[in-house]
Amino acid sequence: QQQVKQSPQSLIVQKGGIPIINCAYENTAFDYFPWYQQFPGKGPALLIAIRPDVSEKKEGRFTISFNKSAKQFSLHIMDSQPGDSATYFCAAVQTGANNLFFGTGTRLTVIP
Amino acid sequence: DAGVTQSPTHLIKTRGQQVTLRCSPKSGHDTVSWYQQALGQGPQFIFQYYEEEERQRGNFPDRFSGHQFPNYSSELNVNALLLGDSALYLCASSLGKNRGDTQYFGPGTRLTVL
Repeated sequence: QQQVKQSPQSLIVQKGGIPIINCAYENTAFDYFPWYQQFPGKGPALLIAIRPDVSEKKEGRFTISFNKSAKQFSLHIMDSQPGDSATYFCAAVQTGANNLFFGTGTRLTVIP
Repeated sequence: DAGVTQSPTHLIKTRGQQVTLRCSPKSGHDTVSWYQQALGQGPQFIFQYYEEEERQRGNFPDRFSGHQFPNYSSELNVNALLLGDSALYLCASSLGKNRGDTQYFGPGTRLTVL
C-alpha cells in the first residue's frame, strides 16, 4: 500500500513557469514532510521540508503548501529554470521513526 | 566535510549470487539506513543500523541483511539474488536513531541482476 501518493508522474513546463507537484497521505501520525530532488545517477537531495503546524514554507524559489485537514501538500517552483529539470519526490515520516515513506516521483522537464 | 559515500557505483551479478554493498556515513553521523529504489519508483526503506544493531526493518525478506562497524560504516548484503533485486541501493546517514527527518543520502549503488 502506497503511504504517500504523488502526482503527476511527469511534467513539462516552459522556462519561467510554475510547476506544481501534489502529494497526499493517509497516516495522521506523519508530522514531517520533506521534498527531495534527484538528478540522474545521483541520490536524493533534501530540497525543503515542512511540519504540519504551518500552512506554507518558502525557501528561495521553492514553496511548500500544506493542507492538514485534507492531508495534502504540494511543491511549487517559482520562475522555473532548465537546471530544475530533475525528478522530485515527496516523502513523509513520523518524528521518532526511522523510515521515510516516499511518493513515486515526478519527472520535471523545464524547456528553455 | 565528506558526505555519504557508497561503493561500488555499479555492479552486475547473476541470479542466485550474493552481493555486498558498502556505505560510509557523513562525517559526525552514527546511524545508517538503507533504501531500495526500483526504476521509476521512490526509495523504499530496507533497514536501519545504529550502535551496530539493526533497529528497524521494512518489508524486505531476510535475504537482505546488513552490518554496521565500530566506525559507523555499513554493509548491505543480499543473498540468492533475484531479477527483481535490480535497483539503485541508497544509503542514508543521520545523527542518532529515530531521526528519519534528518537523513542525508549517498549517490547509490546501481545493482543489475541478469
